[in-house]
Amino acid sequence: DSGVTQTPKHLITATGQRVTLRCSPRSGDLSVYWYQQSLDQGLQFLIQYYNGEERAKGNILERFSAQQFPDLHSELNLSSLELGDSALYFCASSPRGLPAGGNTEAFFGQGTRLTVV
Amino acid sequence: GQNIDQPTEMTATEGAIVQINCTYQTSGFNGLFWYQQHAGEAPTFLSYNVLDGLEEKGRFSSFLSRSKGYSYLLLKELQMKDSASYLCAVSSTDSWGKFQFGAGTQVVVTP
Repeated sequence: DSGVTQTPKHLITATGQRVTLRCSPRSGDLSVYWYQQSLDQGLQFLIQYYNGEERAKGNILERFSAQQFPDLHSELNLSSLELGDSALYFCASSPRGLPAGGNTEAFFGQGTRLTVV
Repeated sequence: GQNIDQPTEMTATEGAIVQINCTYQTSGFNGLFWYQQHAGEAPTFLSYNVLDGLEEKGRFSSFLSRSKGYSYLLLKELQMKDSASYLCAVSSTDSWGKFQFGAGTQVVVTP
């Protein structure tokens, strides 16, 4: 158990809908990362938050947005869903925002499997 | 930005040794990480290198050469449970927050 909690574990929804994925980082971790992993693909970096502020953006679609709340949990909002958005969505947390130096690896949650039908 | 390259797939026999190479291009290098990911599961941390040389952790070792932009993960005494994807990730001060991964190397261990 990494200490990172993601809910829900599975989500099935129709095209055009909007969903919210939730992530609770490890206790004390200030940094949250979101990744998308489509079938047989690598981890695609979406966005990073550090202590409530957006720190870095990757290849995140405009239909997707995220935020980190004062209690440090984060939500990823996916709207106008398309079939191609079906994927595993992972959240990871680290004590400080990388690069912070030192062995501050990122710890991953178990992911949310999103299926768009 | 960062370019991280790894082979797509490698096959090895149970009990053998496999070496997974990772090359990267980045400025402001601040560490290289290796993760293991079984299909449908979360990546789990294996190793971290920030200085040149070899880091050994049981059956797994990782090597880094910063001047060559090169790392490898060595898996010894392969077991069937080692069949997984191995991901290389680079941390860089020039890409603050963009903790990006290579596409991963699928290792298949055969009996």
